[in-house]
Amino acid sequence: DAKTTQPPSMDCAEGRAANLPCNHSTISGNEYVYWYRQIHSQGPQYIIHGLKNNETNEMASLIITEDRKSSTLILPHATLRDTAVYYCIVRNSGNTPLVFGKGTRLSVIA
Amino acid sequence: EAGVAQSPRYKIIEKRQSVAFWCNPISGHATLYWYQQILGQGPKLLIQFQNNGVVDDSQLPKDRFSAERLKGVDSTLKIQPAKLEDSAVYLCASSRSAGHSGNTIYFGEGSWLTVV
Repeated sequence: DAKTTQPPSMDCAEGRAANLPCNHSTISGNEYVYWYRQIHSQGPQYIIHGLKNNETNEMASLIITEDRKSSTLILPHATLRDTAVYYCIVRNSGNTPLVFGKGTRLSVIA
Repeated sequence: EAGVAQSPRYKIIEKRQSVAFWCNPISGHATLYWYQQILGQGPKLLIQFQNNGVVDDSQLPKDRFSAERLKGVDSTLKIQPAKLEDSAVYLCASSRSAGHSGNTIYFGEGSWLTVV
C-alpha cells in the first residue's frame, strides 16, 4: 500500500505557482520522497526527489518539513502542459520499486 | 541518453489469444521493472529483475503471465491466454543497481493493450 496521502484533484491558473501537498507521516529515516507525474497517454515522468533538505531543479522545487512528515511540490509557473496526475512516493535508497497511490490530478486552467 | 524503449505501443487482441511486450532499458541499468496500469489507477508492480534474476514476482499472475530477461538487458512480458481484465497499459521501467543513493527509476511510454 502507498504510504502517502494526496488530495485527489487541484486546479491552478496558468502562470501561477502550483503547490501540491503530500502527507507521509510514517516515513522512515532512510526513505526518500519522490515525485513523478503522468501526462495522459504517457509513462510516469520523474520530477524530483529529496531526503530531508529542500531540493530544486529545472522542473520544480521540493519542500520537505523538518519532521519529514509532509512535503510540497512547487511548480513555479504552471503551464497548460503541466496538466497531469502527480504522484508522491516514499522509497528507500535501495532497489525497492515505486509503490503508486492515486496521486493528485492537477488541472492548469487558462 | 536514450530512454526506456517499449514495443508495441498499441495492441488489440481477442480474449484467449496471446501477446508479448518487449522492453529495452536504459543502457547500464541493471534493475528492470514491469508495471500494469489499469485505467484510472496508479501503476502496479508485476515483476522486478536484477540483471537476469527475478527479485520480486509476487504480484505476477503466473497462470497466464510470464516474463524473462535472459541476457540481463532486454525483457519480454507475455500474456497467454489473455482475459478481458488484462486490458491495461504495461509499463517498463529501469534503474541502476542498489547502492546508488536515491537511484531513480525511469519509465518507458508504455504498451497499451485492449482485449476484446
